[in-house]
Amino acid sequence: GAGVSQSPRYKVAKRGQDVALRCDPISGHVSLFWYQQALGQGPEFLTYFQNEAQLDKSGLPSDRFFAERPEGSVSTLKIQRTQQEDSAVYLCASSLGAGGGYTFGSGTRLTVV
Amino acid sequence: AQTVTQSQPEMSVQEAETVTLSCTYDTSENNYYLFWYKQPPSRQMILVIRQEAYKQQNATENRFSVNFQKAAKSFSLKISDSQLGDTAMYFCAFSDRGSTLGRLYFGRGTQLTVWP
Repeated sequence: GAGVSQSPRYKVAKRGQDVALRCDPISGHVSLFWYQQALGQGPEFLTYFQNEAQLDKSGLPSDRFFAERPEGSVSTLKIQRTQQEDSAVYLCASSLGAGGGYTFGSGTRLTVV
Repeated sequence: AQTVTQSQPEMSVQEAETVTLSCTYDTSENNYYLFWYKQPPSRQMILVIRQEAYKQQNATENRFSVNFQKAAKSFSLKISDSQLGDTAMYFCAFSDRGSTLGRLYFGRGTQLTVWP
């Protein structure tokens, strides 16, 4: 597609519920990143894929967070047993390679109640 | 560790005037990229301008220019002839070219308001 598409745009989850956030990157983009942006903060790195390989997951805050990109295209960020501190905007970005030229999606705003 | 600091939480400027947003960063790397991103209420991060550290010449994109001071680790954004559509959150970001594979480190942002 023309841009990075994320769905859903908004998600309200009850505490303890599992959620799945989807990112559809630009076709042909090798690199895919997930970021978490808390209210009033800058985005914080969560994880990075090069094609289907997850090369860096050092930013995932706990083992409740899991990301996958099985065919090197669409990626899913899953959060198990959501907690209030998980409330944030989750941004996905893709690029042809490292070093810039990232295209961001519009994010998913997750609210845990 | 890489850190990016934006010391101005909010700035305002009148339409057609010039405004400068500040950014400092800390890194032990010698080869890296610096960026300014704009985030309007739609939440999508839009690249405004990019600077490669090995280039001494300051980057310019139409009304947007940077003042890159490598020794001082400073990277400010100047917006000339401000327009109402420039109202947004602006983030300074850093990416090294080495082992972190291009991940971005962001500052906390500066909310810019352009008023008529």
